[in-house]
This record gives sequence, C-alpha cells and structure tokens, in this order.
Amino acid sequence: GAGVSQSPRYKVAKRGQDVALRCDPISGHVSLFWYQQALGQGPEFLTYFQNEAQLDKSGLPSDRFFAERPEGSVSTLKIQRTQQEDSAVYLCASSPSVGSYEQYFGPGTRLTVT
Amino acid sequence: DAKTTQPNSMESNEEEPVHLPCNHSTISGTDYIHWYRQLPSQGPEYVIHGLTSNVNNRMASLAIAEDRKSSTLILHRATLRDAAVYYCILRDVEGDQGGKLIFGQGTELSVKP
Repeated sequence: GAGVSQSPRYKVAKRGQDVALRCDPISGHVSLFWYQQALGQGPEFLTYFQNEAQLDKSGLPSDRFFAERPEGSVSTLKIQRTQQEDSAVYLCASSPSVGSYEQYFGPGTRLTVT
Repeated sequence: DAKTTQPNSMESNEEEPVHLPCNHSTISGTDYIHWYRQLPSQGPEYVIHGLTSNVNNRMASLAIAEDRKSSTLILHRATLRDAAVYYCILRDVEGDQGGKLIFGQGTELSVKP
C-alpha cells in the first residue's frame, strides 16, 4: 500500500522567503510527527498531532515555524522568513494510533536556504 | 528522556552476523527499547523493539541484558542493503504523549562485499 509521502522532495529558498512543506500520512493514521534532520545528525522532534489536534510543539525551534493538520490527515509545515540554519531534511512520520510502537517515515523534504 | 550510547561506526563483512551494541544505563521501568535504521537518502524505518525479553522478527533480533542497562541488535547475515545508520532509542510509550522518538547519533554500519 501507499506509504507516507512528502512534497516537494527538494526545495531551494532564498533567505527571508516563506516555505510550505506537505506531508500525506498513511490513510487512517491518527498520529503524525514532524522531525528536522541536519546534515550528519540524527532526526530531531519538532511537533506531534493526534488527528487535528497539535498536542506537542515543544521541538519547534522558533515562532517562525508553524504546523497544521486541519482535517486530521494531510499536514503542512510552514517556515516563515527562512534562515540559513533552517537548511535540513524535514521528515514526516505517521502511526496508526496513539502510542503505536512503529512510526512510518516519509522520504523527507530537503530544504536548502541560500 | 533517557539517553543511549552507541559506537559511531562499525564494519561488517557480507553474509556475516553483526552485533550492534547500545548502552542505556539510566533506563526507567517503562522505557521500551526501539531500533530504527536509516538507509542513505531515505527516512528512518522501524527495525524492532522490546521491553525485557529478547525479541526476534524477520529483520533482526534484539538481545536485552537482564538489568536492561544495555541491548544488542543482531543482524544474522549482513547484506550490502543493510548498510545504514542504526539508531537505538528509548521510548516511554505510557508517559509521553504520542511517543515521539528521541534520536541520538546512531551507529553507521558499513558492509564489505
């Protein structure tokens, strides 16, 4: 079946531009996570949704980062006024229910801020 | 979240077993031990998880020390496709909303033909 998909796969933005990254989770999955992975590092948690409710946004690095999941399926991570330090791979993961032991990851969106 | 310690890198020969160690001396009673791996240019993928007993699945085996302060991921016969970064993660599914994953640096496994 279809896995988690993310778009675009690659995004180049000039410093100061706004970007929007999309995640399509596996159909019916309740939990959705966003992670940020800098080059050579492990992924770092950004935020978590249970259906449409954003229950944990403790990992968002600044108020320039905003995530939403209005209908409990597709999610968008928006970064306003991008900075060079925002350059990273942004990974989305979903899981069937709260506390499921397995998270299913998408391929990620590589963001490069020039 | 409790911390894990893994070697930065390991090497293996193709078709030989690989033992990937992980230390987690501050593990709590409700922490599950999860392993994920990340192949080049892909998102992480789940490998295996356990609480106290050793676990086996089609991908690997997980051996957990009796005091739970360490564990070992075992790939029984390494293939070239197993070359990846392997992450050992402690996850308190009961205490943490949703069960976010806290990744460390992981172990980069290279497999020689």
